[in-house]
Amino acid sequence: SAVISQKPSRDICQRGTSLTIQCQVDSQVTMMFWYRQQPGQSLTLIATANQGSEATYESGFVIDKFPISRPNLTFSTLTVSNMSPEDSSIYLCSVTPPSGLNTGELFFGEGSRLTVL
Amino acid sequence: GNSVTQMEGPVTLSEEAFLTINCTYTATGYPSLFWYVQYPGEGLQLLLKATKADDKGSNKGFEATYRKETTSFHLEKGSVQVSDSAVYFCALNSGGSNYKLTFGKGTLLTVNP
Repeated sequence: SAVISQKPSRDICQRGTSLTIQCQVDSQVTMMFWYRQQPGQSLTLIATANQGSEATYESGFVIDKFPISRPNLTFSTLTVSNMSPEDSSIYLCSVTPPSGLNTGELFFGEGSRLTVL
Repeated sequence: GNSVTQMEGPVTLSEEAFLTINCTYTATGYPSLFWYVQYPGEGLQLLLKATKADDKGSNKGFEATYRKETTSFHLEKGSVQVSDSAVYFCALNSGGSNYKLTFGKGTLLTVNP
């Protein structure tokens, strides 16, 4: 398994500001992903964080709004830019198994709960 | 595209009751199916999975069978405990080495003593 630490665990932000969420894994992993869980909704994949290159974004998500970094195999950041109340969500980091075995399973962090006023 | 529809919650049961949470899916090809659970204050964790038709995933007394003919993956447990109180998510990926998950909306289960 993998131990995933996300920071901050929660924050209250002002409209128009930006916030960076960090995801630290205790082992090297091949793939890292960022998901969003809006209130009362399911989890939606934002992007795949690629090590050393630009992230791969899903339909409806763009780099200017959600810039992502992944400098190495254990760390990634997601920035939520120019926030509005619609960005109030839980943002989750997830990773593939450290063993590299293709089990289809993902491990998730506890999430970062953002409230935008 | 892929989609997952699961039973709306919340679900409230008494201890030792039988649990069913329905999940149906739409997908092309041969998806793998998952149930994830999120206990209060914790991250999502895999509860069980099935990778091909007629497979049964099981863990902690929970079971789900991959039914291709009905495109379903219903979660069941014969006797729930208070400690099973959590949010349960049905999910799928496109199978193979594809790790992108499509989730249902989640079902909140509360088990009372």
